[in-house]
Amino acid sequence: ELKVEQNPLFLSMQEGKNYTIYCNYSTTSDRLYWYRQDPGKSLESLFVLLSNGAVKQEGRLMASLDTKARLSTLHITAAVHDLSATYFCAVLDSNYQLIWGAGTKLIIKP
Amino acid sequence: ETGVTQTPRHLVMGMTNKKSLKCEQHLGHNAMYWYKQSAKKPLELMFVYSLEERVENNSVPSRFSPECPNSSHLFLHLHTLQPEDSALYLCASSQDLALAYNEQFFGPGTRLTVL
Repeated sequence: ELKVEQNPLFLSMQEGKNYTIYCNYSTTSDRLYWYRQDPGKSLESLFVLLSNGAVKQEGRLMASLDTKARLSTLHITAAVHDLSATYFCAVLDSNYQLIWGAGTKLIIKP
Repeated sequence: ETGVTQTPRHLVMGMTNKKSLKCEQHLGHNAMYWYKQSAKKPLELMFVYSLEERVENNSVPSRFSPECPNSSHLFLHLHTLQPEDSALYLCASSQDLALAYNEQFFGPGTRLTVL
């Protein structure tokens, strides 16, 4: 059974700092997704990572995938307040279902 | 309307009521999903439909009954719910289950409270 773990679950940081959110998963998969959820809102797709070594960047966010280590990272560079949200990773299992991490609640203070 | 829409956005119901949640996608997708999001729990997949056929039912209690009359519409019929069923119910759609990219697009959710 595929399990997905995110850490940390909560992160409070200052504007301008860098940080990384980690997503580990337990069995082989070559498809991983990152989503963002603002309070009271729905989930917004950020990145789809399809292969080992995949790296995608959008603004201050960069996501990477290491399928051998079963690890994805979401790196935040020079954080700004607008990036405050909950970030989820999700991994596709062999039945084409997404298995979700618990989410990382990110608060960025001015 | 664009993307994925859900109605109602908020619903309060008693344990003996019957209600339905509606989801509509305007993206021309073939797959649709119901998820439950509870506080402090990972997102739980409830049902998956592909081309109007149910392909997954993740041990969901029978008090939740899905219906997919066509590829654009998905319903979740609710009856005799329990207070622990209170949660945010999210609908999503994707182009096709088996496509490599298969990005899921989510609706705004229905916040359900069971009294």
